[in-house]
Amino acid sequence: QKEVEQDPGPLSVPEGAIVSLNCTYSNSAFQYFMWYRQYSRKGPELLMYTYSSGNKEDGRFTAQVDKSSKYISLFIRDSQPSDSATYLCAMEGTGRRALTFGSGTRLQVQP
Amino acid sequence: EPEVTQTPSHQVTQMGQEVILRCVPISNHLYFYWYRQILGQKVEFLVSFYNNEISEKSEIFDDQFSVERPDGSNFTLKIRSTKLEDSAMYFCASRQLGTEAFFGQGTRLTVV
Repeated sequence: QKEVEQDPGPLSVPEGAIVSLNCTYSNSAFQYFMWYRQYSRKGPELLMYTYSSGNKEDGRFTAQVDKSSKYISLFIRDSQPSDSATYLCAMEGTGRRALTFGSGTRLQVQP
Repeated sequence: EPEVTQTPSHQVTQMGQEVILRCVPISNHLYFYWYRQILGQKVEFLVSFYNNEISEKSEIFDDQFSVERPDGSNFTLKIRSTKLEDSAMYFCASRQLGTEAFFGQGTRLTVV
């Protein structure tokens, strides 16, 4: 079983739709969770960082963490064509300094 | 806004040659990392560096690789005797303790 599982997509939605992106993980030691956006051949750009179960909102983005189910989500409201990118979940455990990434979900927002 | 800077953006090298990838982390950050991403695959951790020494490394980071912080601003990854399978995007990242990691734009390494 992979440590972090993420549906690779591609996920295609119309402009203005609500997008839901998800990751599951198997390692209970993971305590910190991040979502990154990556455009083709560019570096990961941090979107959200959270360390507790529950929701965290920032503009059109909401990150959700459910540690009991080992499941995290990123919601994008009012999606725009400029949101078209690959979305990476990443996580790390207490005391460990390295991130473990999911494989990324490719999102396409159609105008 | 502070950012992690990587040079060069693209490096082509012949198999067996040595390459040095350079990074300037965000100035007040203390933890530095190298990750790599083979085309079409996920981002993989290589090594972390803190207080002038390696704090953690993955099984990918074998004797072929080394890291150095030669001065107060640069952080380098050296790959000795490159192989075809070393072709990938290499990302540098930096962070403060307990905060999120910020990534550079990457160096695309092509080994021919």
